[in-house]
Amino acid sequence: EADIYQTPRYLVIGTGKKITLECSQTMGHDKMYWYQQDPGMELHLIHYSYGVNSTEKGDLSSESTVSRIRTEHFPLTLESARPSHTSQYLCASSESGSIRSYEQYFGPGTRLTVT
Amino acid sequence: AQTVTQSQPEMSVQEAETVTLSCTYDTSESNYYLFWYKQPPSRQMILVIRQEAYKQQNATENRFSVNFQKAAKSFSLKISDSQLGDTAMYFCAFMNFSGTYKYIFGTGTRLKVLA
Repeated sequence: EADIYQTPRYLVIGTGKKITLECSQTMGHDKMYWYQQDPGMELHLIHYSYGVNSTEKGDLSSESTVSRIRTEHFPLTLESARPSHTSQYLCASSESGSIRSYEQYFGPGTRLTVT
Repeated sequence: AQTVTQSQPEMSVQEAETVTLSCTYDTSESNYYLFWYKQPPSRQMILVIRQEAYKQQNATENRFSVNFQKAAKSFSLKISDSQLGDTAMYFCAFMNFSGTYKYIFGTGTRLKVLA
């Protein structure tokens, strides 16, 4: 199992609420990613980070925001949840310049349901 | 823009048999990595195998091997001696060295190994 953690694992929340999905890794990886994945479907990149104080939007437009204040922590925030945000959110990390360069390690995911 | 195509949404194979999952990609880049990831039901995504584009030799990892055809932009995964634990979604992924370190994932192939 990879050393990358996501909390909560499951979340049911009402429309309009603000939520933060947590992601932490203990491997010291510089790059971190957030993907959105509907069950059994492809992954869509919504945010990524090259390191501390670096964040970029991904290919899929998202109303969420991210921050990277510490290397190990990459939280994703939804200011006002909507039913269209119902999905699974996967966090991943990777490092460059090593023998295992560019392998992505994935967290267990957060399954979000907005009612 | 790079694209990754997996044309087999679902496949099944008898236990102990061999199965091949297809993946094609499109890119104008010359330096890149290709990956196969496995997502078992309700479990974390893990790396199965990785291929560096500059290497002509096909990667192998125990029962898993790839057929990498760079000119044809094809990257298939062969699973030998299939086991029940191989039942999962399999995603083909592409990453180039253009500086973004973004991964492009295919739509996935759901593989079921039958007893």
